[in-house]
Amino acid sequence: AQSVAQPEDQVNVAEGNPLTVKCTYSVSGNPYLFWYVQYPNRGLQFLLKYITGDNLVKGSYGFEAEFNKSQTSFHLKKPSALVSDSALYFCAVRDKMSNFNKFYFGSGTKLNVKP
Amino acid sequence: DTAVSQTPKYLVTQMGNDKSIKCEQNLGHDTMYWYKQDSKKFLKIMFSYNNKELIINETVPNRFSPKSPDKAHLNLHINSLELGDSAVYFCASSPSPSGVYNEQFFGPGTRLTVL
Repeated sequence: AQSVAQPEDQVNVAEGNPLTVKCTYSVSGNPYLFWYVQYPNRGLQFLLKYITGDNLVKGSYGFEAEFNKSQTSFHLKKPSALVSDSALYFCAVRDKMSNFNKFYFGSGTKLNVKP
Repeated sequence: DTAVSQTPKYLVTQMGNDKSIKCEQNLGHDTMYWYKQDSKKFLKIMFSYNNKELIINETVPNRFSPKSPDKAHLNLHINSLELGDSAVYFCASSPSPSGVYNEQFFGPGTRLTVL
């Protein structure tokens, strides 16, 4: 079965410090991986995606993610956190067995950035 | 301009009632989706339509019936509401049903509370 896992329910970081939100995947073959962010009472917003190519993917709002095939991971990172980055972050993988854009989402990680 | 809009934003109703949630997108996308986010923030796809045709139909009680009058609209009708239906329902759209480069655009969500 294809899935993603986000091992941390919550990540706390001080403003200005680097942040990492973890995601591991279980997919046969090469995965198509995505990160989304959900601000309170809002829908999900796309941040970045890995389809192929460079393992370091840059996205919106200064976020980046590193695809690591040997560790089956796709961790989200940012060099310097902002209080406004506080939100719920979802990792997602596209179902490769489907002909359509069917995604499996992780359980979400709440990021708290403290001033 | 709102890209993906949903109405109503909040819906409080009694068990056994029938209710509908409406979704509209003005992005010109061909494909639309319904997701359910439970109280633990777990997000799961329910349905997807491409150009008014149902393409993804997950294991969802048949009390849930999606309807797509045109490719810009996807409505969700729920019969005989149950307590377990309480959740936030998100509509989303993407340019095409299968392009792997296509991220999804989410609406703001409809919070359904069944009493």
